Amino acid sequence: GAGVSQSPSNKVTEKGKDVELRCDPISGHTALYWYRQSLGQGLEFLIYFQGNSAPDKSGLPSDRFSAERTGGSVSTLTIQRTQQEDSAVYLCASSLNPGNTIYFGEGSWLTVV
Amino acid sequence: AQTVTQSQPEMSVQEAETVTLSCTYDTSESDYYLFWYKQPPSRQMILVIRQEAYKQQNATENRFSVNFQKAAKSFSLKISDSQLGDAAMYFCAYRNPNAGGTSYGKLTFGQGTILTVHP
Repeated sequence: GAGVSQSPSNKVTEKGKDVELRCDPISGHTALYWYRQSLGQGLEFLIYFQGNSAPDKSGLPSDRFSAERTGGSVSTLTIQRTQQEDSAVYLCASSLNPGNTIYFGEGSWLTVV
Repeated sequence: AQTVTQSQPEMSVQEAETVTLSCTYDTSESDYYLFWYKQPPSRQMILVIRQEAYKQQNATENRFSVNFQKAAKSFSLKISDSQLGDAAMYFCAYRNPNAGGTSYGKLTFGQGTILTVHP
């Protein structure tokens, strides 16, 4: 695609429910990153994929968070048993390879009520 | 671990004037990249400018330029002839291309500076 595409754009969910956030990177980009941005805050690194493998999961805040990437393309970030503190914008980014410029999607705004 | 600090939570500027946003960082590496990203209300993170640490010359992109002081670990962004469309949150970011393995290519961000442009 022309840019990094994320869905849903906005999601409101009840506390305790599971949510899935999807990221479709720029075609051909091998590196994919997930970041979280809480209201008025900077970006917090969550996970990095190179191809289908995730060499760096160090940013995942708890075992309720998981992510996968299939076919070296689309990635899904799953949050189980959502909590109110999970409310944030979840940004996905990709780059041609890890040394190149990183391009961001518009994010998925998650609100847990 | 690398850290990036933006000490100005908010800045404002009059249209057509010049404003400078500050950023400092901490690293023990000698080779790295620094970036300024702009995030308007649409939430899209847009790359404004990039600086390679091995280059002594400051990067420039049209009205945007940086003052890169490697010894001081300072990386400020100057916006000249400010326009209403420049209003956004600006993030400074660090990237170590030689981290190897698990952290290769990962960006570390500052907390951001909200820039307001007054007509």
